[in-house]
Amino acid sequence: QKEVEQNSGPLSVPEGAIASLNCTYSDRGSQSFFWYRQYSGKSPELIMFIYSNGDKEDGRFTAQLNKASQYVSLLIRDSQPSDSATYLCAVLNMDTGRRALTFGSGTRLQVQP
Amino acid sequence: DTAVSQTPKYLVTQMGNDKSIKCEQNLGHDTMYWYKQDSKKFLKIMFSYNNKELIINETVPNRFSPKSPDKAHLNLHINSLELGDSAVYFCASSLGGGGNTQYFGPGTRLTVL
Repeated sequence: QKEVEQNSGPLSVPEGAIASLNCTYSDRGSQSFFWYRQYSGKSPELIMFIYSNGDKEDGRFTAQLNKASQYVSLLIRDSQPSDSATYLCAVLNMDTGRRALTFGSGTRLQVQP
Repeated sequence: DTAVSQTPKYLVTQMGNDKSIKCEQNLGHDTMYWYKQDSKKFLKIMFSYNNKELIINETVPNRFSPKSPDKAHLNLHINSLELGDSAVYFCASSLGGGGNTQYFGPGTRLTVL
């Protein structure tokens, strides 16, 4: 079982719709969760992080965390063609001493104009 | 001003050669990382240095040797290159390790022929 799993996609949504990206993780001790966006041929950039169960909103982006279900998601409201990219979920367990992010393989999002 | 820079951006070489990739950050961060991203977009930590001290050394062949001359630089030297080393290598930095935001360099696309 992969440590961080994401559906590779592509996830295709029309412009203006809500895009929902999902991620599950296997390490129940994970404490911090991150969403990175990576445009084709570019480097990853952090969109959001979340530590506590529930929702965290930042503009058009909402991260949702459910530690009991070991599930984290990213909602993008009013999707724009410029949101088309690969979204990488990453988790962190500081207690292991490893202190490194473990990434999923990403979900490719396509927003259709 | 570039925050995290890598050179070269592209590297094409023959099997068996030795090559180096350089990374520099001007963010005043104390922790630097090397990641490898394969053709399936899976981003995996290789090494992490904090204040020039090796913190993370994942299961990476010993043909890969990182060197950190100071906090602002983390170079990656690869001996006896193999076909499977072809990937995009990203350098990143953060203030403190673990969950603090990591800023990625533009990546170095290594192609081994």
